[in-house]
Amino acid sequence: NAGVTQTPKFRVLKTGQSMTLLCAQDMNHEYMYWYRQDPGMGLRLIHYSVGEGTTAKGEVPDGYNVSRLKKQNFLLGLESAAPSQTSVYFCASKSRFSGRTDTQYFGPGTRLTVL
Amino acid sequence: AQSVTQLDSHVSVSEGTPVLLRCNYSSSYSPSLFWYVQHPNKGLQLLLKYTSAATLVKGINGFEAEFKKSETSFHLTKPSAHMSDAAEYFCVVSDTYKLSFGAGTTVTVRA
Repeated sequence: NAGVTQTPKFRVLKTGQSMTLLCAQDMNHEYMYWYRQDPGMGLRLIHYSVGEGTTAKGEVPDGYNVSRLKKQNFLLGLESAAPSQTSVYFCASKSRFSGRTDTQYFGPGTRLTVL
Repeated sequence: AQSVTQLDSHVSVSEGTPVLLRCNYSSSYSPSLFWYVQHPNKGLQLLLKYTSAATLVKGINGFEAEFKKSETSFHLTKPSAHMSDAAEYFCVVSDTYKLSFGAGTTVTVRA
């Protein structure tokens, strides 16, 4: 099993450009998440999905959109990138069956720089 | 809303000495708590989790944490630090869907 994978690993954008980050998981998990990590702030939830075709806003959703067309994939889009979106982005997934006690599994991260 | 506060942003220890990372939580009901570790330029790895089965939780690499309801704390300890323990550590609280992360504690280990 590959677990949670993220594409790409690194990306540099210019202000105003758009891009999509892809997250894929092969554990048949229902829940998927996108976080951003900034120094001194831990990880903050951007958007999440509790199932195919459903998405919800997290703590810091502005400037991002997401889609969950297939159970195994969760896409994060930046329509018009801004320097404030320079960050490391992590995807995670978990099974719905154990509720609060279940572990989230994280991908390796995508380092995004917006110039 | 649930939240966690990590009381130290940076901890420096000598190799072979104990490590203590402090975390307080706020929760309106019995929480599920986790400690994750992140080594430089790596992803996050689960160290241990508390799910109300036992107040003393043992994790990987010799780490353990004790849940104290009266103090609303979930401190992480290790009896003897190793150079490979140099990393950032996150205390995390979970609700049904989401995790809330502390700001992180960076651990430096001196030879």
